[in-house]
Amino acid sequence: DTAVSQTPKYLVTQMGNDKSIKCEQNLGHDTMYWYKQDSKKFLKIMFSYNNKELIINETVPNRFSPKSPDKAHLNLHINSLELGDSAVYFCASSQVSGPYEQYFGPGTRLTVT
Amino acid sequence: GDSVTQMEGPVTLSEEAFLTINCTYTATGYPSLFWYVQYPGEGLQLLLKATKADDKGSNKGFEATYRKETTSFHLEKGSVQVSDSAVYFCALSDRNGNQFYFGTGTSLTVIP
Repeated sequence: DTAVSQTPKYLVTQMGNDKSIKCEQNLGHDTMYWYKQDSKKFLKIMFSYNNKELIINETVPNRFSPKSPDKAHLNLHINSLELGDSAVYFCASSQVSGPYEQYFGPGTRLTVT
Repeated sequence: GDSVTQMEGPVTLSEEAFLTINCTYTATGYPSLFWYVQYPGEGLQLLLKATKADDKGSNKGFEATYRKETTSFHLEKGSVQVSDSAVYFCALSDRNGNQFYFGTGTSLTVIP
């Protein structure tokens, strides 16, 4: 019974393609996030959703769009993929009440060729 | 704004050595503080947390104490094992949970 799951675990695609990464959490959390981790392990928050509303939208290209069909899911769509999009993408979730620790999925390694 | 600064790595230790990874923070109000661990090829896992001054978080032999006077949350372990090799992240959440900040991560390698 995985708490936060992501699919696929690996994604290899060519430049210009459109792809999606799915995320689901079964923790009953109110907020979900997407992070990008670069090759130096630096984590950058991309989006967060609280009760299906976008509450953080960092300065990421508009080729990236989060979509939340319900509170348990937050998918990441990426259009016109570029080489620089290659990274590991993590989904996470947290409860709206404190102390707000986040629970992470296993990650999706995206490679754009 | 709020931020977290942790010591740069990589850190290499021999098995059974003492570990300290420094973390300091800048925040308004009273944040919650966390340490996460990322094993190779995996996602981040919550290692320990502290929610108020002088709290000590502990787990798997790791400890960290929330020091408001020095704005620090240093991670320590008395005797590291090869299996502790991972990247460790210090993190902060503001009191309202509206913002969450990660440090840059510190890579630890423990050699037999």
